[in-house]
Amino acid sequence: QSALTQPASVSGSPGQSITISCTGTSSDVGGYNYVSWYQQHPGKAPKLMIYDVSNRPSGVSNRFSGSKSGNTASLTISGLQAEDEADYYCSSYTSSSTLVFGTGTKVTVL
Amino acid sequence: EVQLVESGGGLVQPGGSLRLSCAASGFTFSSYWMSWVRQAPGKGLEWVANIKQDGSEKYYVDSVKGRFTISRDNAKNSLYLQMNSLRAEDTAVYYCARDRAGTLAFDIWGQGTMVTVSS
Repeated sequence: QSALTQPASVSGSPGQSITISCTGTSSDVGGYNYVSWYQQHPGKAPKLMIYDVSNRPSGVSNRFSGSKSGNTASLTISGLQAEDEADYYCSSYTSSSTLVFGTGTKVTVL
Repeated sequence: EVQLVESGGGLVQPGGSLRLSCAASGFTFSSYWMSWVRQAPGKGLEWVANIKQDGSEKYYVDSVKGRFTISRDNAKNSLYLQMNSLRAEDTAVYYCARDRAGTLAFDIWGQGTMVTVSS
């Protein structure tokens, strides 16, 4: 199972919106509404930001939103803040009943 | 407080074995699927394995099939990962994670335990 494809880096100025893409296949992203997004700061464990494509866990800012079209899922961060600078990973359930993560995206706040 | 605490990591020679443990507290452990996820130094996340609430179903990433075994003891609120025939490429921080609803979305993570495979 190959990793889902994410851009290596995305940057934006405070207050701007950015979008991170996550491209898979019909056997993972395109086949199920079980895409999640995680935020990871250096030296820390990942934190769940979005589950089931577009749902936010309790306590996660509504500046984070998720969507999916075909084999590509997206995470949008609006009103970018300095604390959003981190690595972001998507993940998807697969047709083999396993999980595959994305390659990861480093978000830089300029 | 809902918490997962991993232990058992360390330095092991190639071909050796190691058993990781994850102690759960603050929630009904027996009600959740659980997973192991690893992260090699400077690299991305890789899902390793998961196990159903009663241990009746287990799934593995291809690279560890036949070498790693996931298990759980609900009476002890503990998750385990037995790792045999270890290779250099297994070097990583290993996290245990709680699956919020059986759809492989992990809402609770441990702090991780480092496994280094080297001679």
